[in-house]
Amino acid sequence: SQQGEEDPQALSIQEGENATMNCSYKTSINNLQWYRQNSGRGLVHLILIRSNEREKHSGRLRVTLDTSKKSSSLLITASRAADTASYFCATDARENTDKLIFGTGTRLQVFP
Amino acid sequence: DAGVIQSPRHEVTEMGQEVTLRCKPISGHNSLFWYRQTMMRGLELLIYFNNNVPIDDSGMPEDRFSAKMPNASFSTLKIQPSEPRDSAVYFCASSLFGGPSYEQYFGPGTRLTVT
Repeated sequence: SQQGEEDPQALSIQEGENATMNCSYKTSINNLQWYRQNSGRGLVHLILIRSNEREKHSGRLRVTLDTSKKSSSLLITASRAADTASYFCATDARENTDKLIFGTGTRLQVFP
Repeated sequence: DAGVIQSPRHEVTEMGQEVTLRCKPISGHNSLFWYRQTMMRGLELLIYFNNNVPIDDSGMPEDRFSAKMPNASFSTLKIQPSEPRDSAVYFCASSLFGGPSYEQYFGPGTRLTVT
């Protein structure tokens, strides 16, 4: 079963706009990761946020984590056509730290 | 570094045939993961190894699937006999440290079609 569920399932925006994707999970976690997958490619790690962190930045990416709500958000600012991809959150679980469980993904389309 | 290498990139086979997927992790990485991705089920962890030892194979769908890691630089995922429902993209990933709490590096995947 999947730990993370992304919302929305699909998102279409124009270049220059911001894109926000949300991830909700079910059990307590040690950390949460975000990955990007371009069509026909493997996943690429974007950012990792630990359970004791509330916000993290990497370039145009901003990730927040709210452990009380069991949710995280990924914000891509000033989006570009090259940001078109699927975005996945992935969590381990304190009850079972052996696995990294991926969510269902958000398909982002950025129109030039 | 060349990254995680998978072969073949595409495989088309007939039902009942044996399929072997191959993976070369990033040199120096201690953990290796096999995933399967389908539209219906998303990305599923099949099995992972730490230091060449299988740690958790609970995601392997059935006995038709087997995985080995004879050394630190090579792993195989075998399906025998293959069935049409095995059609999917199979990813191999590796990470520097043991356990899934660290960044994973994914290969380009093998797209398997079983007819």
